[in-house]
Amino acid sequence: GQNIDQPTEMTATEGAIVQINCTYQTSGFNGLFWYQQHAGEAPTFLSYNVLDGLEEKGRFSSFLSRSKGYSYLLLKELQMKDSATYLCAVSPSSNTGKLIFGQGTTLQVKP
Amino acid sequence: NAGVMQNPRHLVRRRGQEARLRCSPMKGHSHVYWYRQLPEEGLKFMVYLQKENIIDESGMPKERFSAEFPKEGPSILRIQQVVRGDSAAYFCASSPPSGASTDTQYFGPGTRLTVL
Repeated sequence: GQNIDQPTEMTATEGAIVQINCTYQTSGFNGLFWYQQHAGEAPTFLSYNVLDGLEEKGRFSSFLSRSKGYSYLLLKELQMKDSATYLCAVSPSSNTGKLIFGQGTTLQVKP
Repeated sequence: NAGVMQNPRHLVRRRGQEARLRCSPMKGHSHVYWYRQLPEEGLKFMVYLQKENIIDESGMPKERFSAEFPKEGPSILRIQQVVRGDSAAYFCASSPPSGASTDTQYFGPGTRLTVL
């Protein structure tokens, strides 16, 4: 089966650092994506990992461990506008562009 | 640069009617994906299309749902004889013509379908 798990909700304080975890069990693995989705809007691409390790992009970083089926998204210097739902998605096969999404983690940033 | 366009943004249908959702990919993109997001659930893959071809429809319900991406014009997701359970947000995404499964997918704003 295909399964992707993320915490449902998280709360953090403006200016702080937050880590959103994602674990996956899929029939294959061809890369992992993180998207941000504000309420009522389209998901927007944040990061992509296919090799183990950390990918840094400004205030956002994403980490992957393929042997553990684990990824996290790290958000630094949190801002109020970072309040959104963060979606972890796995590409399970090189034969199709299909993405399998987790249910998303809704992050609330408080002043 | 125009992003992925979807219309209508909101669609209301009565049970038994047909719903047609349209998606125009980003300029230069030739791969289109449709996903459905039910209330309180994550995005679920429905279908992956290239121009005039359905590549993967493993997520499409067996009945009432169909999709096409003609040579000219937008991709269409068609739902016949809608039922209340079809109420959801339907998102379209597109990716570049390289066709690599690791190409980033860019999402449109979605169509929110409400079935009365």
